[in-house]
Amino acid sequence: GAVVSQHPSRVICKSGTSVKIECRSLDFQATTMFWYRQFPKKSLMLMATSNEGSKATYEQGVEKDKFLINHASLTLSTLTVTSAHPEDSSFYICSARVWGGETYEQYFGPGTRLTVT
Amino acid sequence: AQTVTQSQPEMSVQEAETVTLSCTYDTSESDYYLFWYKQPPSRQMILVIRQEAYKQQNATENRFSVNFQKAAKSFSLKISDSQLGDAAMYFCAYRSATSGTYKYIFGTGTRLKVLA
Repeated sequence: GAVVSQHPSRVICKSGTSVKIECRSLDFQATTMFWYRQFPKKSLMLMATSNEGSKATYEQGVEKDKFLINHASLTLSTLTVTSAHPEDSSFYICSARVWGGETYEQYFGPGTRLTVT
Repeated sequence: AQTVTQSQPEMSVQEAETVTLSCTYDTSESDYYLFWYKQPPSRQMILVIRQEAYKQQNATENRFSVNFQKAAKSFSLKISDSQLGDAAMYFCAYRSATSGTYKYIFGTGTRLKVLA
């Protein structure tokens, strides 16, 4: 099956700094990737849809200037949390849209745990 | 707007027994997809099973099967012969087949414990 990787798996940063999270499709090309945020013991909340070569589409309530998304190639999307604050601490998951034979499916990365101190 | 509801925060099942996880959804669309995803302690989301709304036949994948009741907007997951490795969070998800956005709407999840 399609494999999606994320790097780093864990990151700790100081308040006010920026941190970049990478999402890669390892054995396929992904024109569309998604970024989710998951709070402890909660569901996944879609933050934005990342489209290769164009601007990301953000969900309502997500600050596009704070969560910068770049999808510069067909195998890589990045999420940069700018001027991070402790409330940005969370588990961030990316997924890639993949043709599953009958319809598109999403294959997920292993997630990145961000802790802002 | 579409919503997905999982009313069971936690379920337990004895190893080798059968358990059913509930999911209900609300939509005005007639064409859509429903999914069950498994999130083990590693946090890696894994697709368990998929159901197309236009198909009346319930989807099955080995020990996993669904009971899809379109009129009732119900989509439950049955796990047969439960194994210790089935212990995980299970999320039900909805995706429109017509909007073109391919966005998923997830339920709040059910934590499944498998007792040895």
